[in-house]
Formats: sequence, C-alpha cells, structure tokens
Amino acid sequence: SQTIHQWPATLVQPVGSPLSLECTVEGTSNPNLYWYRQAAGRGLQLLFYSVGIGQISSEVPQNLSASRPQDRQFILSSKKLLLSDSGFYLCAWSRQLGETQYFGPGTRLLVL
Amino acid sequence: EDKVVQSPLSLVVHEGDTVTLNCSYEVTNFRSLLWYKQEKKAPTFLFMLTSSGIEKKSGRLSSILDKKELFSILNITATQTGDSAVYLCAGVFMNRDDKIIFGKGTRLHILP
Repeated sequence: SQTIHQWPATLVQPVGSPLSLECTVEGTSNPNLYWYRQAAGRGLQLLFYSVGIGQISSEVPQNLSASRPQDRQFILSSKKLLLSDSGFYLCAWSRQLGETQYFGPGTRLLVL
Repeated sequence: EDKVVQSPLSLVVHEGDTVTLNCSYEVTNFRSLLWYKQEKKAPTFLFMLTSSGIEKKSGRLSSILDKKELFSILNITATQTGDSAVYLCAGVFMNRDDKIIFGKGTRLHILP
C-alpha cells in the first residue's frame, strides 16, 4: 500500500530564515506530487505540482520554491521566510493529474 | 474563473441529528467532484462523484452530484461526536492541467 510522509510535523522559524520541508511517498512509482498551503480560516491553496523528476509547475507567485530531486521526493523551500508564510503545509500525491489526491500528515509552520 | 463554494461555513448540531453539507461549483469543463474529511491534520478521502444522480454511500455518510444544477451534497445521518471535522469539497476540471480546486470547507461540530 502507498504511504506519504512529511517532515517535520511542526516548525517554528524566525523571519528571514531559510526553509526546507520534505515529502516522500512509498509504495508507488512516478506519482504526481503537490504542495498545498492551508492558512487559518482559508481553504487549501495549491502552491506547486510535479509530474516527474525535475518538473515543477508553480501556481502562485510567492516566496517559496519546490524541487523534485527523486521520483518520490518533493521538497518545499524558501531562502528567506516571511511572516505571511505561516500556515499548514500539505503534500499530496495522485496517480494521474486530476485523480483523487491523498494527503500527507502536514507540517505546521509558524514564522515569528 | 473556476471556483468551488461550500455552505454553510460552520455548523453546530447535537449528536444524533442529520446534517447536509452543500457544495456548488462554477466551471468551464467539469470532470469530477471530491469530498474530504479533515480533522486535526491532513484531509482524508471520502467520495469521488462523476455521474449525476448516483448516490455514493459509506456507513452513515452519503453524497450525490447534480451536474445540471452544478452542486453536490454530503449527508451525515445519526451524527456522532467523531464526525466533528472540516469537510472539504474539491472540483476537478478538465482545464489544461486537470488541477483540483478546493472550497473553503464546512466546519462541523457535533455536541454530545
């Protein structure tokens, strides 16, 4: 069966510091991978998605970037965090674009 | 612009009550509609609806899609405190990338 992991679970970072959130998927190959942000009181916002190694599509202009160095690894990064980057970050995978997405446990990020 | 709107935003009922959550969508090319339950962490998948008028059922939860009127409902009968969660509706649209667009969710709280 497939599982999706996110690391870390919770992170508190000062403004201006770098960020690296990791997402890994097990039990499947060539998944489509997604990064979402869920800010307090708001819906899920798609940040990035990837259909393969090295292929990243960005949905909204922002302070964040994503990379996919391996087939089942998706990383969300920032060089300098802003206060507005605080939120709940969810990684998800699907077999094909447009199919059901399955979510990881999420990372709660607080930027102070 | 494609969008998904959920109502109500928040709902509080007593244990044993039946609730109906609404999801309406405005799309150019609709493909399917997804329902998720989100408790404290990541959303978990409930239903995928692609055909109009066919009810999907899982225990006390059921859902149906109306493609003519562009909405879906999620019903929960004989509610229990464990049903307390945010219920997310998401639309899959056949745009250039088949991305999923989420509503802001309905926060359901069941009183014992």
